[in-house]
Amino acid sequence: SAVISQKPSRDICQRGTSLTIQCQVDSQVTMMFWYRQQPGQSLTLIATANQGSEATYESGFVIDKFPISRPNLTFSTLTVSNMSPEDSSIYLCSTDRGNTEAFFGQGTRLTVV
Amino acid sequence: GQQVMQIPQYQHVQEGEDFTTYCNSSTTLSNIQWYKQRPGGHPVFLIQLVKSGEVKKQKRLTFQFGEAKKNSSLHITATQTTDVGTYFCAGGTGGFKTIFGAGTRLFVKA
Repeated sequence: SAVISQKPSRDICQRGTSLTIQCQVDSQVTMMFWYRQQPGQSLTLIATANQGSEATYESGFVIDKFPISRPNLTFSTLTVSNMSPEDSSIYLCSTDRGNTEAFFGQGTRLTVV
Repeated sequence: GQQVMQIPQYQHVQEGEDFTTYCNSSTTLSNIQWYKQRPGGHPVFLIQLVKSGEVKKQKRLTFQFGEAKKNSSLHITATQTTDVGTYFCAGGTGGFKTIFGAGTRLFVKA
């Protein structure tokens, strides 16, 4: 299995500011994924991050709003930029082992006020 | 685009009753995974099914993958209060992405 440490676990931010969420994996992984989960809802994929290349964003998500870094095979960050209350959500990073089970970070509960 | 529908949205059961959640995909899946998310927690992997018609069991949990690899179910026998949470199916598309169902939230009354 893979262990993913995600931080911060929660934050309350002012609108117009940005927050960077970090995920550290205990082993090297090829793909990392960033999801958003509204309370009581399912997981929506934001983007897929490969090491050494630009992230691939899903429909409705853009790089200017959610820049992602993937500097090496064990680490990734997601920034939520110019936040508004609509960005309040839980953000989760995950990885998998060759398209088998996915391992998730503990999640970041973001509240924008 | 590809979708994975999951029903019911939520279910209330008395402890000891059985529970089933169903997933249906608009397209053939390469695999299906099931996750459990406790309130306030993150999704935790339960199992993956790959073969057409596959059935797997984990104690009181039974997982099925349809013959056409478009649908799946999770059945819990004799629910316990520790089964409370949201159960998600996630369909593998053959690439590196999985598509999550909406989840079924299970409430168990002691």
